Amino acid sequence: AQSVTQLGSHVSVSEGALVLLRCNYSSSVPPYLFWYVQYPNQGLQLLLKYTSAATLVKGINGFEAEFKKSETSFHLTKPSAHMSDAAEYFCAVSRAGFQKLVFGTGTRLLVSP
Amino acid sequence: EPEVTQTPSHQVTQMGQEVILRCVPISNHLYFYWYRQILGQKVEFLVSFYNNEISEKSEIFDDQFSVERPDGSNFTLKIRSTKLEDSAMYFCASRQTTTSGANVLTFGAGSRLTVL
Repeated sequence: AQSVTQLGSHVSVSEGALVLLRCNYSSSVPPYLFWYVQYPNQGLQLLLKYTSAATLVKGINGFEAEFKKSETSFHLTKPSAHMSDAAEYFCAVSRAGFQKLVFGTGTRLLVSP
Repeated sequence: EPEVTQTPSHQVTQMGQEVILRCVPISNHLYFYWYRQILGQKVEFLVSFYNNEISEKSEIFDDQFSVERPDGSNFTLKIRSTKLEDSAMYFCASRQTTTSGANVLTFGAGSRLTVL
């Protein structure tokens, strides 16, 4: 079975500070990994995905994530937080060829001026 | 940009009542999904639908739940007799590709169901 664990239900940063949202996965087969973002009153929007190509994946809005097999991690980072980054972020995993995404519990990012 | 549209955005119902949540997927997408998120918990897979039939369902998706695509555009989730524990945000999603590979799903904004 596959699963993801997101450490920290809430992360607070100051505007301009580094953003680090943690995600660890468990999978018996090579995983596909995703980060989704949900802004208030909106749907889940894909930020980036890892599909067994480059381990450092760049996404939208300046976010990136690095797949580290040895650490079973796929942490999301952004060098400098912006107020507009305040949202809920979800890590998700799936298997190649399978349709089901397994989500983490989400991390709410709070950005203060 | 094409989007997945869900209605209603919020529905309040009495326990035991039937509820239908509606979704309009992106027009050229072929795979459709329902997920739900109980407050404070994970986003959970409910069901996937392709070629007018269920392709996969979770253990949550019991006989109280059904899905259909009645008119080729709408994709509905019906809960036959709601229970308190059905209170959640329900997300519809759709996917375009017919080939296996990364599942890039486009999600709707969700329908919040409150069962009293």
